[in-house]
Amino acid sequence: AQSVTQLDSQVPVFEEAPVELRCNYSSSVSVYLFWYVQYPNQGLQLLLKYLSGSTLVKGINGFEAEFNKSQTSFHLRKPSVHISDTAEYFCAVRRWGADGLTFGKGTHLIIQP
Amino acid sequence: AAGVIQSPRHLIKEKRETATLKCYPIPRHDTVYWYQQGPGQDPQFLISFYEKMQSDKGSIPDRFSAQQFSDYHSELNMSSLELGDSALYFCASSHPDASSYNSPLHFGNGTRLTVT
Repeated sequence: AQSVTQLDSQVPVFEEAPVELRCNYSSSVSVYLFWYVQYPNQGLQLLLKYLSGSTLVKGINGFEAEFNKSQTSFHLRKPSVHISDTAEYFCAVRRWGADGLTFGKGTHLIIQP
Repeated sequence: AAGVIQSPRHLIKEKRETATLKCYPIPRHDTVYWYQQGPGQDPQFLISFYEKMQSDKGSIPDRFSAQQFSDYHSELNMSSLELGDSALYFCASSHPDASSYNSPLHFGNGTRLTVT
């Protein structure tokens, strides 16, 4: 089985400051890695995904993430955040050959003016 | 662009009643997934369908069943509802791809089920 750990339940950061949301995973088999964002009362929207190849992946809204196999991490970063980035962010993995995503508990990103 | 449509948006039921949630995937998407998200929790995968056949199964209770119809819409049927079933239920769909596991999931806005 696989699991996802998001180390921070909440991350407050000032507007225009950089942010990193941490994600670590464990799995006995190869997985695909994803970051989703959830705005209040809405569904989840895919920010970016890592399938293979370059370990640095760029997503929407200026987000990027780096896959680190040795540390089993997939941290999400943005160099300068905006008020509109306030949301819940979920890291997820998908085992090769399976449909279901396994999500972390989520990190609430709070942007302070 | 068309998105995943879920109905109803909100549903209130009493304990031991039944509920049916509907999901209409994005046109030409052939795979549908159901997730349950409890209050303040991460989404939990319930079940998925590909070309009208069950594809994968997660933590779906025996009281729940689902199916995908010929027009690719899906319904999640929930019986003998319990208070703990109160949650946001998401449907997602994905586009057929040479390697379907690479296809990103597109989520609907969910159905909020409240069991009283």
